[in-house]
Amino acid sequence: GESVGLHLPTLSVQEGDNSIINCAYSNSASDYFIWYKQESGKGPQFIIDIRSNMDKRQGQRVTVLLNKTVKHLSLQIAATQPGDSAVYFCAESRSGNTPLVFGKGTRLSVIA
Amino acid sequence: EAGVTQFPSHSVIEKGQTVTLRCDPISGHDNLYWYRRVMGKEIKFLLHFVKESKQDESGMPNNRFLAERTGGTYSTLKVQPAELEDSGVYFCASSPSHSPLHFGNGTRLTVT
Repeated sequence: GESVGLHLPTLSVQEGDNSIINCAYSNSASDYFIWYKQESGKGPQFIIDIRSNMDKRQGQRVTVLLNKTVKHLSLQIAATQPGDSAVYFCAESRSGNTPLVFGKGTRLSVIA
Repeated sequence: EAGVTQFPSHSVIEKGQTVTLRCDPISGHDNLYWYRRVMGKEIKFLLHFVKESKQDESGMPNNRFLAERTGGTYSTLKVQPAELEDSGVYFCASSPSHSPLHFGNGTRLTVT
């Protein structure tokens, strides 16, 4: 069945360094991908999304890269800050109309 | 604008009891979703409303779960009778058409 998974369950980075969080997906029909950030006690918060007709999209300090050939998605955070510490989830859907399928999440810890 | 609000934030009930979770979506959002995350697992889709109609309820685990959205505004999710495996965090999300989901902070349900 379709699934979205993460390579690393935890990631620790020094403050100021760049962070890269990876995600693999198995459903080649997926054409919409999204990253969420979840802080303790809160719900997932939208970070950035990308459609399959693009391979890169940038936001404020964040970049999402999509490699459809190997079905891989990554989230890059520039100059990581303590406030970036959270669990990050990737999710995918088909045509944006099917339910989002979430990965297990990666915990990012920023070391001051 | 007010975000998605969920009530209660926490609920502890005994096995066999009934619990009703409430979600107030962002005003004007026709799409309303319920998701849940059980311990150590992915955030899983439960169902999707478009206004007051159930668009997709393929994720509802069994007939102990009943979701309603009368009038197309707020939604309730009732679990009756609750079982131990129902423990987890229940998230509600809303969106306008073809837009990222906005999540509430969730209801943490503990069944003892």
